[in-house]
Amino acid sequence: AQSVAQPEDQVNVAEGNPLTVKCTYSVSGNPYLFWYVQYPNRGLQFLLKYITGDNLVKGSYGFEAEFNKSQTSFHLKKPSALVSDSALYFCAVRDSGAYTRGGSQGNLIFGKGTKLSVKP
Amino acid sequence: ETGVTQSPTHLIKTRGQQVTLRCSSQSGHNTVSWYQQALGQGPQFIFQYYREEENGRGNFPPRFSGLQFPNYSSELNVNALELDDSALYLCASSLIPGLAGAYEQYFGPGTRLTVT
Repeated sequence: AQSVAQPEDQVNVAEGNPLTVKCTYSVSGNPYLFWYVQYPNRGLQFLLKYITGDNLVKGSYGFEAEFNKSQTSFHLKKPSALVSDSALYFCAVRDSGAYTRGGSQGNLIFGKGTKLSVKP
Repeated sequence: ETGVTQSPTHLIKTRGQQVTLRCSSQSGHNTVSWYQQALGQGPQFIFQYYREEENGRGNFPPRFSGLQFPNYSSELNVNALELDDSALYLCASSLIPGLAGAYEQYFGPGTRLTVT
């Protein structure tokens, strides 16, 4: 069964410091991996994705993520954190298997989320 | 380009009642997925609709049902509401997987349902 683990409930970082939000995954085949951010009382906002190719993926707002197949990880990173980055971050995975009508490949499996707090 | 919209924003219902939530997909997107996000949890997949048919379902009972209309908008219906149905319900639109760029889903702001 597919699953996503975000081992940290909360990450605290000082503004200007680098940040890392961790994610590990489990899928039967090759994964499609995503990061989303959720601000209070808002829906999820797409940040970046890994489908294939370069293991370092760059996304919105200066975020990037590194895909590591051997460690089954997809950690989210940013070189210099901003107070406005404070939010809830979700990692998600989708199986890259051939799409079939009625199958489960269309849905995303989410982690439980990591709250990022950036202090001035 | 119009983003995903959902209505209503908030809703309070009592146990046993029925509720209908609505979603308009992003312009050009033909697939709608619904998720339930309980407090402090990640979103859980309910079902997906493509070409007006259910196209995959998560571990939710049949009292959760949906519709998709020719303009790709969608409804989520929940019958016989239970207290545990209290959650944020998220709608996401996308292109059908397999097309170039058809991988990410774009989410609406959600409907906060409270069951008392």
